[in-house]
Amino acid sequence: DVKVTQSSRYLVKRTGEKVFLECVQDMDHENMFWYRQDPGLGLRLIYFSYDVKMKEKGDIPEGYSVSREKKERFSLILESASTNQTSMYLCASSGRQGSYEQYFGPGTRLTVT
Amino acid sequence: AQSVTQPDIHITVSEGASLELRCNYSYGATPYLFWYVQSPGQGLQLLLKYFSGDTLVQGIKGFEAEFKRSQSSFNLRKPSVHWSDAAEYFCAVGSYNQGGKLIFGQGTELSVKP
Repeated sequence: DVKVTQSSRYLVKRTGEKVFLECVQDMDHENMFWYRQDPGLGLRLIYFSYDVKMKEKGDIPEGYSVSREKKERFSLILESASTNQTSMYLCASSGRQGSYEQYFGPGTRLTVT
Repeated sequence: AQSVTQPDIHITVSEGASLELRCNYSYGATPYLFWYVQSPGQGLQLLLKYFSGDTLVQGIKGFEAEFKRSQSSFNLRKPSVHWSDAAEYFCAVGSYNQGGKLIFGQGTELSVKP
């Protein structure tokens, strides 16, 4: 089975802190994604990556950056956390050929105070 | 613009009753369609998917969905709901020319009455 893991289930940070969310997948998938999930808004794509060192902005990239130095790892960075970034963050991965189903990690609930 | 709409924010059904969750999409290309389920505090799990062929697809946990191109719909059904089906359900759509990106609906929260 595909396994996507995220470094933390719950995080509490202060306004202005730099925050790193880590995601690792074990299925050699080319594509990786970061979403944030808020009630009533569904999943919104922050950034995605098609390959190592490649990244593209999603629908809501402002205030975020990403890093993909290795194929299995995709990091989301909040350069200076703000209270409006309090949310659930979900990482996903998918293969490039054929099917496009995404496999999700368990999520990180981030609270910025 | 491409979009996915789940008209029902919250649905309550009795245990043992049938279930239908609605999903409508607006997409220019031939769509790939998915239903995911999310239990409280968890990530999303794939229930079923449609790429081509038979428009009625079977998934895990006794769920099925039917693709109706003329109605731009991909509704999820289950003949008899179990209390453990209480969760949030997301419809998603993608296509070959979007690479791996998916567009998700807003989600439908399902409650099950004993």
